[in-house]
Amino acid sequence: QVQLVQSGAEVKKPGASVKVSCKASGYTFTSYYLHWVRQAPGQGLEWMGIINVSGGSTNYAQKFEDRVTMTRDTSTNIVYMELSRLRSDDTAVYYCARDQGGISIFVLWGQGTTVTVSS
Amino acid sequence: EIVLTQSPGTLSLSPGERATLSCRASQSVRSSNLAWYQQKPGQAPRLLIYGASSRATGIPDRFSGTGSGTNFALTISRLEPEDFAVYYCQQYGSSPLTFGGGTKVEIK
Repeated sequence: QVQLVQSGAEVKKPGASVKVSCKASGYTFTSYYLHWVRQAPGQGLEWMGIINVSGGSTNYAQKFEDRVTMTRDTSTNIVYMELSRLRSDDTAVYYCARDQGGISIFVLWGQGTTVTVSS
Repeated sequence: EIVLTQSPGTLSLSPGERATLSCRASQSVRSSNLAWYQQKPGQAPRLLIYGASSRATGIPDRFSGTGSGTNFALTISRLEPEDFAVYYCQQYGSSPLTFGGGTKVEIK
C-alpha cells in the first residue's frame, strides 16, 4: 500500500549529526515532492524543507539552511534528511510527508522518528 | 514569513457541542492556501481541510472550514468523542510553509 516508512529512533550527543531515512512505497516515487516537518516534545509542527524527488533540488527553511541536507536515492525510493551540529533543542520527532501533486498539503506521513540529543 | 496565530490555546467542551477554532495570519494567505490538521497523541497529523474550505477525502461533514485573507476558522458542528485532539492550521501559499501553534480541544 501507499506508505512512508522512516528509520528508527536515534540518540545523539550535542555537536553530532543524524541522518533519518524515509522509504516510499506504493506510488511512483519521482512524481511527488517530499517534505520534512519536526515536532519538539509538547510543541507544535515546524517545517524544515522540501526536496524535489525527481530532480533532487531542495528548499530549506532559513532556520535550518546551514545545518540540514536533504537527499534522495531513486534506486531505492528513499529520501534522507541529515541534520548536523545537533543541539539539545533539536530533540524532536521528525516526520517526512508527501505533498499532493505539487500542492504542499500532507495526506501521507511517515510514522515519525524520535531524535534525542543529550550528553 | 507568514506567522499563524491560533486561538484559543485550549477549548474545553462536551461531546455534542460545537467547536470553533480560529487561525489568523500575519499577512494575507495567497489563494486561500490554508489547511487544517488534527493530531492525536503519538500519531502523525491528519489532513482535514485544504483550500480553506475543502474537506479532505474521508473527513466527516461535521468538519468545515471558512475564511480568506488573514482570518480563517475550523468548525466542528457536533463534537464526537474521537474529535478531542490538537488542531493545527498551515499555510502553503508562500515559502516557508508555516503552521499555527495549535488549539487543543479537550473534554470538559
